[in-house]
Amino acid sequence: AQSVTQPDIHITVSEGASLELRCNYSYGATPYLFWYVQSPGQGLQLLLKYFSGDTLVQGIKGFEAEFKRSQSSFNLRKPSVHWSDAAEYFCAVGAGRDDKIIFGKGTRLHILP
Amino acid sequence: DGGITQSPKYLFRKEGQNVTLSCEQNLNHDAMYWYRQDPGQGLRLIYYSQIVNDFQKGDIAEGYSVSREKKESFPLTVTSAQKNPTAFYLCASSSMGGTAATEQYFGPGTRLTVT
Repeated sequence: AQSVTQPDIHITVSEGASLELRCNYSYGATPYLFWYVQSPGQGLQLLLKYFSGDTLVQGIKGFEAEFKRSQSSFNLRKPSVHWSDAAEYFCAVGAGRDDKIIFGKGTRLHILP
Repeated sequence: DGGITQSPKYLFRKEGQNVTLSCEQNLNHDAMYWYRQDPGQGLRLIYYSQIVNDFQKGDIAEGYSVSREKKESFPLTVTSAQKNPTAFYLCASSSMGGTAATEQYFGPGTRLTVT
């Protein structure tokens, strides 16, 4: 069965600094990979997804992620964060003909002014 | 605008009472999902439905029930058998069931508090 790990529960960065959120997955074949963002008390919004093809994926709000098969990783990056990026970020993995998408436990991003 | 609505946003109930959470979508999506979110736990799948009149248990279905009588509606009932029902509940939908290779769209959630 697939699984996903987000090693960092909280991350704090200064506004304007670069950001990288880590995500590691476990699955025997190429998984479907997602990053979602959640503002407090709200639902989740998809930032980007990887199904196949180019391993560098561009998403909304200036985010990108890179699929690295050798490291079983799908890290999320942004070159310069804005105060509005403060939220919780979830990595998720799906596989095969099953509807199920497994979510990581999330990384809460804090932005220093 | 197309989307998913969940009502109410906040719900309070006494222990021992059943409560039903509403989820409606106008995206014409085939598949719908219910998740439970607890602090530090991520999202856990309760039930999902790939088509009308069909649904499957997720990872934490005990104490919950669902129905899918209409394509656009997927209500969740939290029964008195659920031992720890206080949580944030999220409904989602996707354009097709039977595959994880599809984006899920989420509603705004319902926060249920049982005392």
